[in-house]
Amino acid sequence: NAGVMQNPRHLVRRRGQEARLRCSPMKGHSHVYWYRQLPEEGLKFMVYLQKENIIDESGMPKERFSAEFPKEGPSILRIQQVVRGDSAAYFCASSSQFRQSSYEQYFGPGTRLTVT
Amino acid sequence: QQQVKQSPQSLIVQKGGIPIINCAYENTAFDYFPWYQQFPGKGPALLIAIRPDVSEKKEGRFTISFNKSAKQFSLHIMDSQPGDSATYFCAADQGGGSQGNLIFGKGTKLSVKP
Repeated sequence: NAGVMQNPRHLVRRRGQEARLRCSPMKGHSHVYWYRQLPEEGLKFMVYLQKENIIDESGMPKERFSAEFPKEGPSILRIQQVVRGDSAAYFCASSSQFRQSSYEQYFGPGTRLTVT
Repeated sequence: QQQVKQSPQSLIVQKGGIPIINCAYENTAFDYFPWYQQFPGKGPALLIAIRPDVSEKKEGRFTISFNKSAKQFSLHIMDSQPGDSATYFCAADQGGGSQGNLIFGKGTKLSVKP
């Protein structure tokens, strides 16, 4: 399957624990985006990364949230000291490095985080 | 402040009907307008997209109409089928090749009755 891969698909954490969400972009894609979706809501942009660089993190909460896309391996969205309000579906998308098609973002299946 | 407004919130049509979903935007710097289809428990899937230099784009049964002066665009689904029942999201991108911040509408839940 050459699509965007995310794991885990479901994650349950107690308040105060850490959540780590992983995303492997589509083959040949070097741009990764993270979005959050609350129930019955649209997707909200969080962060845009390229390999080893954060390009735009204007949608990231100032505290407890961080993201990285290392030279090797998947992109990681980390949420420290989770609270109930962090419960949501987190989607990763990827796009090509080539300008002509760089707008097209392809989404993974998402990670559904539940904080108890 | 919502930059992309989508309507209606929900829509029910009979099989074969032509549901129309509308979106309006505010930022004239937006230059890419995709539509996504999402089934319950799944990620959004890119359906079709348009840029402001064309007024209409068709792909299969899906058509985007774009009105630059009114800052509006819409999705039409021809000969709708029960399998089209899903939530549809419009989005906009300021783009420029260096930004990836898609702004999404709140979604339209479409139900196509057999």
